[in-house]
Amino acid sequence: QKEVEQNSGPLSVPEGAIASLNCTYSDRGSQSFFWYRQYSGKSPELIMSIYSNGDKEDGRFTAQLNKASQYVSLLIRDSQPSDSATYLCAVKSGGFKTIFGAGTRLFVKA
Amino acid sequence: DAGVIQSPRHEVTEMGQEVTLRCKPISGHNSLFWYRQTMMRGLELLIYFNNNVPIDDSGMPEDRFSAKMPNASFSTLKIQPSEPRDSAVYFCASSPQGAGAPPDTQYFGPGTRLTVL
Repeated sequence: QKEVEQNSGPLSVPEGAIASLNCTYSDRGSQSFFWYRQYSGKSPELIMSIYSNGDKEDGRFTAQLNKASQYVSLLIRDSQPSDSATYLCAVKSGGFKTIFGAGTRLFVKA
Repeated sequence: DAGVIQSPRHEVTEMGQEVTLRCKPISGHNSLFWYRQTMMRGLELLIYFNNNVPIDDSGMPEDRFSAKMPNASFSTLKIQPSEPRDSAVYFCASSPQGAGAPPDTQYFGPGTRLTVL
């Protein structure tokens, strides 16, 4: 079992729709959870971090964390073609190590 | 702030040659990470430094890989000898501690695309 699992996609949504990206993790002791966005040929950049159960909203992005289910998700409202990228879920377990998922490719169709 | 700086941005070399990748972290950041990204294996952590000290190099694939951080503003990743299977994008990332940023946030450099022929 991989430590951080994501559906590789591609996930295709029409412009203006809600894109829902999901991630599960195996280490129950994990404390910090991140979503990074990576455009093709570019480096990952942080878009959301979440540390406690519930929802965290930042503009069009909402991160959701459920530690009991070991599940973290990212919702993108009013999706734009510029949101087309690979979204990496990252989980920091005990100690220093942050584990990245393989990423979900998102396509937003104009 | 210039962000994390990596050089070179692209490197093409022949099998058996030595390759040195360089990284300058963001000033004031005390953690530095080297990652390798391929289509097959995704983003893999190779080594992590904290306050210039290597904490865990368990991700370094084999003895051909070595990394150093002689001071807070510079790190190198060396591959000697290089092999075609080392072809990948190598990212350096740095992370601050303390107030002003979400804990454990990593800031990635632009990466070095390495091709070993």
